Amino acid sequence: NAGVMQNPRHLVRRRGQEARLRCSPMKGHSHVYWYRQLPEEGLKFMVYLQKENIIDESGMPKERFSAEFPKEGPSILRIQQVVRGDSAAYFCASSPFSGQYNSPLHFGNGTRLTVT
Amino acid sequence: QQQVKQSPQSLIVQKGGIPIINCAYENTAFDYFPWYQQFPGKGPALLIAIRPDVSEKKEGRFTISFNKSAKQFSLHIMDSQPGDSATYFCAASSGGSYIPTFGRGTSLIVHP
Repeated sequence: NAGVMQNPRHLVRRRGQEARLRCSPMKGHSHVYWYRQLPEEGLKFMVYLQKENIIDESGMPKERFSAEFPKEGPSILRIQQVVRGDSAAYFCASSPFSGQYNSPLHFGNGTRLTVT
Repeated sequence: QQQVKQSPQSLIVQKGGIPIINCAYENTAFDYFPWYQQFPGKGPALLIAIRPDVSEKKEGRFTISFNKSAKQFSLHIMDSQPGDSATYFCAASSGGSYIPTFGRGTSLIVHP
């Protein structure tokens, strides 16, 4: 039973290039969350998606960042024209829908993005 | 999103000690309080969680204490072991949001 799969594990991009981070949720999970982690800053929420819908993107920078979770295939976090400040670990998490109660998040092992 | 304040930022104990990590929140709508454990190079993993209808929950050596009136909750690790060395995050969410807000994390080192 595979957990949340993220790839690549490490990604190096030069300034101005595009970064694409992929996340396959756990089987049966229809909710995907993206978080960014910087040293000493914990986990910062970016975006929450369900299949084909962005539910909440309040944590996503307004420019250069976008996310999708298509009907088929993984969720994608896309960063255009990367800058050094985008260097961080990006974590994807998934959860099943459980009605009125919150469900725990299941995290992948992250993608470490380095912008040179 | 409402902030969740976590302390201390780092903690060092000897094997067998009882590290305590504290979190406080403001949003009274929060109704789910999980703790996550993260090892280097890995994603966070759920450790234990509590809802506000109970004041304490134990799972093995890990205990959450919850004080609804003070809007605080804490994690206690009994008989800590070097293998418990990790970063611990508290979080909070509400049924209306489903988006957990995380504390900044506590780096725990347990010396042999």
